[in-house]
Amino acid sequence: AQKITQTQPGMFVQEKEAVTLDCTYDTSDQSYGLFWYKQPSSGEMIFLIYQGSYDEQNATEGRYSLNFQKARKSANLVISASQLGDSAMYFCAMREGRGGATNKLIFGTGTLLAVQP
Amino acid sequence: EPEVTQTPSHQVTQMGQEVILRCVPISNHLYFYWYRQILGQKVEFLVSFYNNEISEKSEIFDDQFSVERPDGSNFTLKIRSTKLEDSAMYFCASNLGTSGSDEQYFGPGTRLTVT
Repeated sequence: AQKITQTQPGMFVQEKEAVTLDCTYDTSDQSYGLFWYKQPSSGEMIFLIYQGSYDEQNATEGRYSLNFQKARKSANLVISASQLGDSAMYFCAMREGRGGATNKLIFGTGTLLAVQP
Repeated sequence: EPEVTQTPSHQVTQMGQEVILRCVPISNHLYFYWYRQILGQKVEFLVSFYNNEISEKSEIFDDQFSVERPDGSNFTLKIRSTKLEDSAMYFCASNLGTSGSDEQYFGPGTRLTVT
């Protein structure tokens, strides 16, 4: 079974609009972390935002926020006021456990976001 | 800002040849990782390394693969006898690994092409 599911292979958004990228996950661990990474066409992986399973508040980092719904096992990324430079592939990833020896990240298949002027 | 570096950026090799991909993790980081991304697909975990030994590896990381930290700064991935299906982008990553919120910093990747 997929541990991380990103059901939107591609998304379009108008510049300055907000967009939500979906991510659902599957784990039996009580302690886990959820990450979003951006991969522009140049190929590098850029960390955007983190949400811990015990965090009561949704994470925010500038124009990025994470809509964390633990009961639904979803961790959607919201990008507000989209910019042309936001056009990229976005990956949701999960780390099971508290870290340490179980630090590996499990990635979803990604969503390709295109911001239109 | 400190960053993970990787060399070379692109490596072309013939099937059956050995390749070594090199990485310099961030200096105070304790955990090191290799991931790969076949073109157009998701990023897949290969191996994690801590305290000079492998802490976890995936089923992809078979006997053809090995990792080493030959000195205090470099972290290498060796593929002994490359196959066509090893063609992919290989990312090195590192982090402190001491807290849950500790993101992994990725290098720019090495694109390996096996012909």
